[in-house]
This record gives sequence, C-alpha cells and structure tokens, in this order.
Amino acid sequence: GAVVSQHPSRVICKSGTSVKIECRSLDFQATTMFWYRQFPKQSLMLMATSNEGSKATYEQGVEKDKFLINHASLTLSTLTVTSAHPEDSSFYICSASGGSEAFFGQGTRLTVV
Amino acid sequence: AQSVTQPDIHITVSEGASLELRCNYSYGATPYLFWYVQSPGQGLQLLLKYFSGDTLVQGIKGFEAEFKRSQSSFNLRKPSVHWSDAAEYFCAVVEFEGNKLVFGAGTILRVKS
Repeated sequence: GAVVSQHPSRVICKSGTSVKIECRSLDFQATTMFWYRQFPKQSLMLMATSNEGSKATYEQGVEKDKFLINHASLTLSTLTVTSAHPEDSSFYICSASGGSEAFFGQGTRLTVV
Repeated sequence: AQSVTQPDIHITVSEGASLELRCNYSYGATPYLFWYVQSPGQGLQLLLKYFSGDTLVQGIKGFEAEFKRSQSSFNLRKPSVHWSDAAEYFCAVVEFEGNKLVFGAGTILRVKS
C-alpha cells in the first residue's frame, strides 16, 4: 500500500509552547488529509479534514485556533498545537487519501509538561 | 450519520485457536468497510476492505471478513491466531458526506500461550 510518513514520532514540549507535526504522503498525491486524536484505550476521534489548498474543516468541539492545520501541497499537511497544555497530551495520527482509501501515518505521541 | 459498533472491548484467545471480532454498522446503502490493526504506540495498518462484489474478503496476515447486509455486520475472522496478532483492532466505515472514516471503539485482542 501507499506510504504515509508522520514526524516526529514522539515529542515532549513545555506548557505554553507550540508543536508542529508533519504528515507526508510519500508515493501518492493526497487530495484529502485527516487528523485524528486518540486518548489512551479509546478509539480515534477525527479532529479535522483538510483538502489541498482549502481551509480545514474542523469537527465539533475542536478549537481551530488551537489546532492549526495547513495542507499547502498534495503531499504535505501539518498540524500545529499552539500554546500546548498538559491536557493536549495525546496520540495524534494523520491519514492521507488520494481516492477511496486512506493510509495512516505512524502517529505522534505528544507529551506536554 | 454512520456509526460503527464493536461490542467486544477485550477478547482473549489461545494461540492456535480461531478468532472472530464483531463489527456492526449503521448505513442505508452499501458501505465501504475496513478493518485496521494497531500495535501499541503505532499507527494503523489496513488488514482488509470491502467496497463491493464478493462478500467474503481476504486480507493480509491470514485475516478475512464477511459482509452480511442482512445483519449489518462485517466480522473479522482468522482460523488460527498467532501470538503476534495481539493488538487492537478497529472496524471503520466511510462516511461519504465529508469522505471521512468513522471508527468503532476498538477491540483489544490478547493471545495466551
């Protein structure tokens, strides 16, 4: 299957700082990218959907000013957690789709201290 | 909106025994259905998918799933479980409005030797 690379795999940051997570489709053009958040022992919750060149569509309850999503090219989307707080600590996973199937990145474990 | 139910939070099977993980969905038309596997701290790997055609779908790692429209089910099966199959399994359906995946809560599989 197609490859989606997510970086970094783990990050620890101080409270109040911002963290950027990258999601790249390595061998296909991703017209749509999705960002998920996964709490311990829970399922994946969709945060937002982004289409290349358009503003992201956020799910209800997700703060768009806190979780900034950029999808400037067909192979790269970024999620920036701004002014991170300990409650933002979680596992974030991106997925990229060029058609009817989505491929997932390896995930990013964010810890805010 | 579509929804996915995985009734079993945890399942424990003996190595070499058969496995069936249950998944029920709610969707009026023929859905696009997926099974993913997630190892601890990792992203998701696609096991198999159903779009149309033969209702018995073969996937990777010896897994198969059967789409049963009358029961709104897409149960995952494996005839003989290996210790390396221990992981969390997610069933998902595509929500066409928004072209996004809706995940079930997941089933954690434990394999005892």
